Amino acid sequence: QSVLTQPPSASGTPGQRVTISCSGSSSNIGSNYVYWYQQLPGTAPKLLIYKNNQRGVPDRFSGSKSGTSASLAISGLRSEDEADYYCATWDDSLSGVVFGRGTKLTVL
Amino acid sequence: QVTLRESGPALVKPTQTLTLTCTFSGFSLSTGAMCVSWVRQPPGKALEWLALITWDDDKYYNTSLKTRLTISKDTSKNQVVLTMTNMDPVDTATYYCTRMLRRVGAWESPDYWGQGTQVTVSS
Repeated sequence: QSVLTQPPSASGTPGQRVTISCSGSSSNIGSNYVYWYQQLPGTAPKLLIYKNNQRGVPDRFSGSKSGTSASLAISGLRSEDEADYYCATWDDSLSGVVFGRGTKLTVL
Repeated sequence: QVTLRESGPALVKPTQTLTLTCTFSGFSLSTGAMCVSWVRQPPGKALEWLALITWDDDKYYNTSLKTRLTISKDTSKNQVVLTMTNMDPVDTATYYCTRMLRRVGAWESPDYWGQGTQVTVSS
């Protein structure tokens, strides 16, 4: 069972805005930076958001954090955004990195 | 430009020990804040963090796998080695090498990733 909870799936139509949530606890999201990754089929994860809300990619992607939860927002949805999205952070109790189980985004 | 590349056997037998090497460039593990970690992903499943080594040789392991994992570094060769003992078919996965930063008072998460190496455990 993953320490971070993500919805298994999300969907939207081209041009829409979608959000993906990531819920944790005080020992992980509550006290450490949240990172978001995009993984296209057959490829390595790609960093999208670092330190909660810093963009490593075009500004259609944005991140936020509040308390023990975080979210990734994708605006102006495109077909090429169809991928798996993972949140991650450090967990002070486990002394290691923890990942969410991933959210599969479908562009309808 | 930061790059990481994983190397190791594509196929191992059950009970054998897996040894993976990460060769990196664009940063040095002798520089403060620099860390290298390993992450794996079984086919169709989520990412799982395995182990981490810091610039000052601190080591951290996934608590569920700690007894099977050993991470080490060769700073002069810009390499990090991960060994996993007693391999089982459930360990079949793509194994990724990543860079991480550990700044004062704040752990970060992987920023740069290697392309991954596929490891199959089968007799």
